[in-house]
Formats: sequence, C-alpha cells, structure tokens
Amino acid sequence: EIVMTQSPATLSVSPGERATLSCRASQSVSSNLAWYQQKPGQAPRLLIYGASTRATGIPARFSGSGSGTEFTLTISSLQSEDFAVYYCQQYNNWPTFGQGTKVEIK
Amino acid sequence: EVQLLESGGGLVQPGGSLRLSCAASGFTFSSSAMSWVRQAPGKGLEWVSAISSGGGSTYYAESVKGRFTISRDDSKNTLYLQMNSLRAEDTALYYCAKHTIVDYYFDYWGQGTLVTVSS
Repeated sequence: EIVMTQSPATLSVSPGERATLSCRASQSVSSNLAWYQQKPGQAPRLLIYGASTRATGIPARFSGSGSGTEFTLTISSLQSEDFAVYYCQQYNNWPTFGQGTKVEIK
Repeated sequence: EVQLLESGGGLVQPGGSLRLSCAASGFTFSSSAMSWVRQAPGKGLEWVSAISSGGGSTYYAESVKGRFTISRDDSKNTLYLQMNSLRAEDTALYYCAKHTIVDYYFDYWGQGTLVTVSS
C-alpha cells in the first residue's frame, strides 16, 4: 500500500494570504495525484487531478505541482470559502488518501 | 447534473450485516467504474472497494476483504455494498464515488450514509 503523508496537520492563515500544503508519497506515484476539499458536513470536492490540472469550475487561485513523491497544493489568496480540510489521494495504485490538512482562519 | 444518493445505513450490532445502495443519475452509469469510500467520525478518508464498468472486476481494501461485497445493477443505475461481519471499526459515513473514465480518482461524490456498529 502506498502511504500518503500530508503536512502540516493544521495551517493557520489570514484571508488574502497564500497557503501551501504538502503531500508526500511513500513511493513514486508519477503524476497520479488528486486533491480534494472537504467542508464540514459536506462530501469531498475534486480540486486537482494529474497533480496539476484543475477540475471543472475550480478557481485559478488553486494550483497543484509536483511529481514522483512530492506534491504541493497552493492557494494563492485565501478566500473565506477556502477554509476547509484538504486531502491528497494517489491513484497510481489502489486509491489511498493522506490524513488531511485543515486550513483554518488565523 | 450528476447525482449520487446513498441509502441503507443505520445502527447494527457487531457481527451483523447491512446493505448499502447508491442510486446514480445524470451520467452513463454503465460506463463508469464506481467506488465506496468511508470516513470514520472526525477522521480522514479511506477507500473501501471499487467495481469496474460492467462489474467484471472488483477490488477491496485489506481491511474489508472477505467481509464486504461490491456489486452493481446497471439496469437500475444502482451500486451496492453488502457488508457482513461488521465490526466497531467499520463505523463511518460511507460515500459512493464515481471514477473518471480513465483514472481512479473521483470526480463526483454522494452525500454519504452513516453506518454505526455498536451493541
């Protein structure tokens, strides 16, 4: 099983600031990585796939980068609706998720 | 509009069984691989099981292998998860999720159905 490790567990950011979330895979997953956003009481929403391609309707302030074992999700200027939990997921093998990063208001 | 509506969750005793259903609409269900993903209270996401389009191939996480069975009825646009020998650690919100045509990430999710295993 490929283990996905996200850091930090919690990120405190002020609105308008930049947020950088990290995701590391225990072995190479190539570019087979997705990012999801989950708000309280809601299902996850796909943000990024292929490590860097935004899903339909996702604002340009969300960007993904990386390949192999190291990945980053960047939110360029946090809006109030962006405070949520973010998960990475590899699909190079059977799907596995990171444990999540909570982005909270500073 | 893609819709996934799960049902069948509830309270069950350890060792008991439950069958979850997911009614799909708004896309060509028969052409889509589907999965169940669960989330224990206050925890992260865990992939549980997947089924290929057509149902010829099924896949399971080690934690549920031999106890859970995924199936689909394309004539009813419905996905199922038969859960047997349930344990307390199976307590979670179970999501139905649609795969993209090409890859095993999830482009649509249902709202989930809650399974509680407790005596």
